[in-house]
Amino acid sequence: AQKVTQAQTEISVVEKEDVTLDCVYETRDTTYYLFWYKQPPSGELVFLIRRNSFDEQNEISGRYSWNFQKSTSSFNFTITASQVVDSAVYFCALSEAAGNKLTFGGGTRVLVKP
Amino acid sequence: GAGVSQSPSNKVTEKGKDVELRCDPISGHTALYWYRQSLGQGLEFLIYFQGNSAPDKSGLPSDRFSAERTGGSVSTLTIQRTQQEDSAVYLCASSPDRAPYSPLHFGNGTRLTVT
Repeated sequence: AQKVTQAQTEISVVEKEDVTLDCVYETRDTTYYLFWYKQPPSGELVFLIRRNSFDEQNEISGRYSWNFQKSTSSFNFTITASQVVDSAVYFCALSEAAGNKLTFGGGTRVLVKP
Repeated sequence: GAGVSQSPSNKVTEKGKDVELRCDPISGHTALYWYRQSLGQGLEFLIYFQGNSAPDKSGLPSDRFSAERTGGSVSTLTIQRTQQEDSAVYLCASSPDRAPYSPLHFGNGTRLTVT
């Protein structure tokens, strides 16, 4: 069975600080996909990134970066120089190639204070 | 372009009543999902439709919950004899094909409150 754990329920930082969100997953499949979604206060989930299990290259997109490590089954997300607009709930999710669903972690609420 | 549309945005109902929640996916998307998000919780998978295949109903919490998708487009989630624990935000998502290959596009959800 697939499982995603986001141990941090809430993180509070001051603007311009960096913040790292942890994500640990469990799966028996060798082919799978990992995702991060952002849910701002408006409520609509927004897709941020997808990685497949065969691509361990880290990725950077602007102030966002992702660190995928199969050895520790982790897919961590870092926001550099955080801004107030980054305040949201961030969800990590896992999809197995043979499955029909996306399994979400419990989410991490990020609060960026000015 | 139009995104995933859900209606109503808010629904308040009395315990024991039936409710219907509607989802209009992005045109051309063959995969459609329903998730439930309880207050302060993560997303719980409910049901998945892919084209004309039989739906994956493995996430439906009880037989009071059912869903259908007509003509491969609009979907309706029905909750019969609502209970207070059914109070949550019900999210619909669609994707061009199966989730493992494509990100999901979510609607804004229907906030259901059972009094």
